[in-house]
Amino acid sequence: AQSVAQPEDQVNVAEGNPLTVKCTYSVSGNPYLFWYVQYPNRGLQFLLKYITGDNLVKGSYGFEAEFNKSQTSFHLKKPSALVSDSALYFCAVRDPYGGSQGNLIFGKGTKLSVKP
Amino acid sequence: DTGVSQNPRHKITKRGQNVTFRCDPISEHNRLYWYRQTLGQGPEFLTYFQNEAQLEKSRLLSDRFSAERPKGSFSTLEIQRTEQGDSAMYLCASSIGLAGGNQANTQYFGPGTRLTVL
Repeated sequence: AQSVAQPEDQVNVAEGNPLTVKCTYSVSGNPYLFWYVQYPNRGLQFLLKYITGDNLVKGSYGFEAEFNKSQTSFHLKKPSALVSDSALYFCAVRDPYGGSQGNLIFGKGTKLSVKP
Repeated sequence: DTGVSQNPRHKITKRGQNVTFRCDPISEHNRLYWYRQTLGQGPEFLTYFQNEAQLEKSRLLSDRFSAERPKGSFSTLEIQRTEQGDSAMYLCASSIGLAGGNQANTQYFGPGTRLTVL
């Protein structure tokens, strides 16, 4: 069965420091992986995705993520955190061979708090 | 703005009442998805349309739930005889998709409808 794990409920970072939000996945084949961000009382905003190719994916707002097949991970990173990055971050996976035609499987989310 | 829109943004209802939500996807997107998000959880898939055809339903979608996309454009999600456990954020997303095509296409989400059942 497909699944996503975000092992940290909350990550605290000082502004200007690098940040990492962790994600691991489990799928039967090669995964499609996504990161979304959610601000309070808002929908999800797409940040980036990995489909194939270069393991380092660059996305919106200076975020990037590294796909690691051997560790089945897709951690989200940013070299220098901003207070405005404080939000809820969701990792999601899509199994192209899972038989399902549409849905993403989401993790429980990680709350990122960036302090000035 | 040509993003996904949802109405209403908030709905408060009494247990046992019926509610209907609307989603307008991005205009050129032929795939439309409904998800439900409860507090402290990630979104959970409910159902999916390719144009007007409802191609997949989650086990979460009990027979009190029904979704339509009559002309392949906007979609409605109706909940009959609401229960307190239905209280959640209902999210709609859309994506471009060819029949049998690239399932990696990005899903773009609307702002959601927050349902509170008293």
